[in-house]
Amino acid sequence: GAGVSQTPSNKVTEKGKYVELRCDPISGHTALYWYRQSLGQGPEFLIYFQGTGAADDSGLPNDRFFAVRPEGSVSTLKIQRTERGDSAVYLCASSQKAGGLFFGPGTRLTVL
Amino acid sequence: GDSVTQMEGPVTLSEEAFLTINCTYTATGYPSLFWYVQYPGEGLQLLLKATKADDKGSNKGFEATYRKETTSFHLEKGSVQVSDSAVYFCALSSMAGGTSYGKLTFGQGTILTVHP
Repeated sequence: GAGVSQTPSNKVTEKGKYVELRCDPISGHTALYWYRQSLGQGPEFLIYFQGTGAADDSGLPNDRFFAVRPEGSVSTLKIQRTERGDSAVYLCASSQKAGGLFFGPGTRLTVL
Repeated sequence: GDSVTQMEGPVTLSEEAFLTINCTYTATGYPSLFWYVQYPGEGLQLLLKATKADDKGSNKGFEATYRKETTSFHLEKGSVQVSDSAVYFCALSSMAGGTSYGKLTFGQGTILTVHP
């Protein structure tokens, strides 16, 4: 594909609801990353996939956050019982081995 | 743990002025260092990188030198243009323990505005 794509671009939800954010990485990229960027801050690492498995999920803030990548391509970040503090831009990035990260445009999540 | 500190912004310059954005870091082992840029309405893009001490990364007229003795990676450009207006992020990747190359620690970002 042309680049990393993320859907939706914007998501507004109510406190307590469940949301799913989708990432389509660049075709052939085996590594996929999720980051979270709060207003005025730099991105913070959440989770890293190598293929289908989560190789490092040390950045997930709590057990309300979960991510999957069942076929080693598309990934979904899932947030349960959303809280206002979850409002941020969620970024996805992919890479091929030791190549540079290619970031998607992000999903802006707003929890009311 | 790893951390990156960038100079406070925003930075406002006139076209053709000299730019420096300071970045210092703390990390275990020997990290790789990066500058990423986010233009208005676009995603993060890698601007330049350096993987070992004394390396100089360069791209689009920007330069940064990996200074291990001062744990710094300051971004410089001799003559900025209006099109350089963006948010700049310093970042590191610490390979200690074999962690992923793409697991980055970012600074808070510096907003640069260049006026004609």
